[in-house]
Amino acid sequence: AQKITQTQPGMFVQEKEAVTLDCTYDTSDQSYGLFWYKQPSSGEMIFLIYQGSYDEQNATEGRYSLNFQKARKSANLVISASQLGDSAMYFCAMREGNAGNMLTFGGGTRLMVKP
Amino acid sequence: GAGVSQTPSNKVTEKGKYVELRCDPISGHTALYWYRQSLGQGPEFLIYFQGTGAADDSGLPNDRFFAVRPEGSVSTLKIQRTERGDSAVYLCASSLFASQRVSGELFFGEGSRLTVL
Repeated sequence: AQKITQTQPGMFVQEKEAVTLDCTYDTSDQSYGLFWYKQPSSGEMIFLIYQGSYDEQNATEGRYSLNFQKARKSANLVISASQLGDSAMYFCAMREGNAGNMLTFGGGTRLMVKP
Repeated sequence: GAGVSQTPSNKVTEKGKYVELRCDPISGHTALYWYRQSLGQGPEFLIYFQGTGAADDSGLPNDRFFAVRPEGSVSTLKIQRTERGDSAVYLCASSLFASQRVSGELFFGEGSRLTVL
């Protein structure tokens, strides 16, 4: 079974609007971490936000927030006030228990921001 | 520079040749990771070093792939008898900790794009 599933291969959003990128995960560990990375066309992976499995509040970092629903095993990324520079691939990733910080990535969602 | 540095940025080789890809992590980062990213997919884990030793090499696809980190800093990914299916971007990342108790995000390099003809 896929450990990280991103069901939206591509998304469009109008500039200045909010957008939600979906991510569901599968693990039997009680302790795990969830990450979102952005990959622009230049190729580098840029860390955006982190949510620990024991964190009671949803993580926020500037315009990024993570809608963490533990019972549903979902960790959706919300980008508020989209900007043209947000156009990129977005990857959800998970680190499980004692995996030594090794991340398992989903297949990604390509976000395109329209002017 | 302050970031993870990977060389070469692009490598074109012929099937059957030997290739080395180099990664220079952020100074002081003890953990180093190699990932492979095929076109249109997410990165796939290959191997992870904690210091000089390979703590987890379960992602290496076969024995043609090998990686070393002899002094606990720079790492080299070595691919023998390259095949067309090895064509991908090879990403290196480093992190300060390898612990589940901190967020420990990975800092990635820009990757080495390998094309096997």
